[in-house]
Amino acid sequence: GAVVSQHPSWVICKSGTSVKIECRSLDFQATTMFWYRQFPKQSLMLMATSNEGSKATYEQGVEKDKFLINHASLTLSTLTVTSAHPEDSSFYICSAPSPTSSYNEQFFGPGTRLTVL
Amino acid sequence: GQNIDQPTEMTATEGAIVQINCTYQTSGFNGLFWYQQHAGEAPTFLSYNVLDGLEEKGRFSSFLSRSKGYSYLLLKELQMKDSASYLCASLDSNYQLIWGAGTKLIIKP
Repeated sequence: GAVVSQHPSWVICKSGTSVKIECRSLDFQATTMFWYRQFPKQSLMLMATSNEGSKATYEQGVEKDKFLINHASLTLSTLTVTSAHPEDSSFYICSAPSPTSSYNEQFFGPGTRLTVL
Repeated sequence: GQNIDQPTEMTATEGAIVQINCTYQTSGFNGLFWYQQHAGEAPTFLSYNVLDGLEEKGRFSSFLSRSKGYSYLLLKELQMKDSASYLCASLDSNYQLIWGAGTKLIIKP
């Protein structure tokens, strides 16, 4: 089946630094990818929709200047958390729609756990 | 508004059957998903229902009633590895997934 990878799987950084997370579709092309954030014991929260060749679409309340998204190719989207703060510590997950599903089944990456000290 | 409700936590015994309920209210409806998520891992797809009725897939079955805005996930012959969170998600009219908070299922020997 289709596989989505994320790198890194976990990262610890100091407050004020920037962190880049990569999301790759390994055996299929994805013109659209989704970025989610999940706090402990909470549901997935959609942050933004990444679109290859155009600007990302951000959900209400998500700061686009803080969470920079670049969909550089049909297999790669990156999320950069700029000037990270402890409250940004979370589990970040990307997903891509299945290229063969007629009902928008999502394939999820393994997630990136970000800890900001 | 859009809302997905499911119990926060459930406990069941190994070998038994458990039913996890989900009610939804979304802007339009294009189907309902169930995903399994083990702690610290990404969700994995379990099922998709768009028509009323029961879909059976091995030990797992999923049911949908569109008129009631209701779905359930039925797990049979529970195994310890089934301990996980189970996420209900509705696909709205814009084909955007609206996620429930998840039900943490604890399996006891």
